[in-house]
Amino acid sequence: AQSVSQHNHHVILSEAASLELGCNYSYGGTVNLFWYVQYPGQHLQLLLKYFSGDPLVKGIKGFEAEFIKSKFSFNLRKPSVQWSDTAEYFCAVKNGNKLVFGAGTILRVKS
Amino acid sequence: DVKVTQSSRYLVKRTGEKVFLECVQDMDHENMFWYRQDPGLGLRLIYFSYDVKMKEKGDIPEGYSVSREKKERFSLILESASTNQTSMYLCASSFRQGAQYFGPGTRLTVL
Repeated sequence: AQSVSQHNHHVILSEAASLELGCNYSYGGTVNLFWYVQYPGQHLQLLLKYFSGDPLVKGIKGFEAEFIKSKFSFNLRKPSVQWSDTAEYFCAVKNGNKLVFGAGTILRVKS
Repeated sequence: DVKVTQSSRYLVKRTGEKVFLECVQDMDHENMFWYRQDPGLGLRLIYFSYDVKMKEKGDIPEGYSVSREKKERFSLILESASTNQTSMYLCASSFRQGAQYFGPGTRLTVL
């Protein structure tokens, strides 16, 4: 069965620090990959997605992710975080019609 | 804008009660999904449906059933609620190969 591993459960950063959240998946075939974000008290929102083409994907709010097929990775990055980026971030891989989610990473940005 | 709505934000039920959670989407999506979200476990798929009256088990279907009589509506049923079903329940919908869009969630407490 496919699995998704997010390396850090909790990350604390100061404003303006750079962010990289790790995501590795187990499936070896063609993959569709996603990052979702859940801000406090809000519903899960799509941050960015990779289906094919350029492995560097840009999403909303200055986030980007890089698909590295040889490493089975899809890490999320942001050069300079803001207090408003405090949220829980989920990586997911598509398996047929289903999504398999990682356990999530809670990011807290200190102002 | 895709809109996925769920019938309740908060629900408190007693052990043994039958519980209905309703989800409605307004984008004519073929696929609809029910997840539960628990801290440290991410999102786990309970059931999904790729068409009216069609359903498939997800990763944790035990203790749950679903109903999809109309394309826009997908119901999750707890036949006899138990305390270990206390959780946040998320509904999502998507076009066949597209990203999933999530509702606001229902926080269910079973006493």
